[in-house]
Amino acid sequence: DAKTTQPNSMESNEEEPVHLPCNHSTISGTDYIHWYRQLPSQGPEYVIHGLTSNVNNRMASLAIAEDRKSSTLILHRATLRDAAVYYCILAESSGDKLTFGTGTRLAVRP
Amino acid sequence: ETGVTQSPTHLIKTRGQQVTLRCSSQSGHNTVSWYQQALGQGPQFIFQYYREEENGRGNFPPRFSGLQFPNYSSELNVNALELDDSALYLCASSRRTGFRDEQYFGPGTRLTVT
Repeated sequence: DAKTTQPNSMESNEEEPVHLPCNHSTISGTDYIHWYRQLPSQGPEYVIHGLTSNVNNRMASLAIAEDRKSSTLILHRATLRDAAVYYCILAESSGDKLTFGTGTRLAVRP
Repeated sequence: ETGVTQSPTHLIKTRGQQVTLRCSSQSGHNTVSWYQQALGQGPQFIFQYYREEENGRGNFPPRFSGLQFPNYSSELNVNALELDDSALYLCASSRRTGFRDEQYFGPGTRLTVT
């Protein structure tokens, strides 16, 4: 499985944008980049995924580097509810097995 | 709320015993995956079931086994429990209709082995 590297932790202020980076230098051509997050005491929750082009949905945006060796999850206005562990995962399909790393723990300050 | 439910919520077992965990998938989903999450770690893939057949397995010994039923609900069975089996067990359901088949996770079952 291709590996991803994320910072262990990040902090943000409420209502400010947050940029969560992920490096995946060994990504294959068929790998999609998926982001899940895990709120305290809950199971992981799908956030967004993409292949080559930047993607937007109601939760976040995903910016993918042109060489696909890195990506950034963007939360446009962080809320206290966004405090969670964010996982960047490579998989050919979201329905395939997901290989979670240790993720980035995001703290949001009021 | 994802529509994926798991039971029981918490469970305490003794080393050497057997345990069965249950998962009801979201309506319309035909695939169930099971994950083990140790404290402070990300979830680790155990196996996946698609239309009642095992469809991929992670690096877990044979004492971890599963079933998927015609209504797509699923069970995870663990025999000969070890202390290291203490973890949060998560199930996730998805619908295999193409690339956009993200997984919906349940809240998990917290298993403690003493």
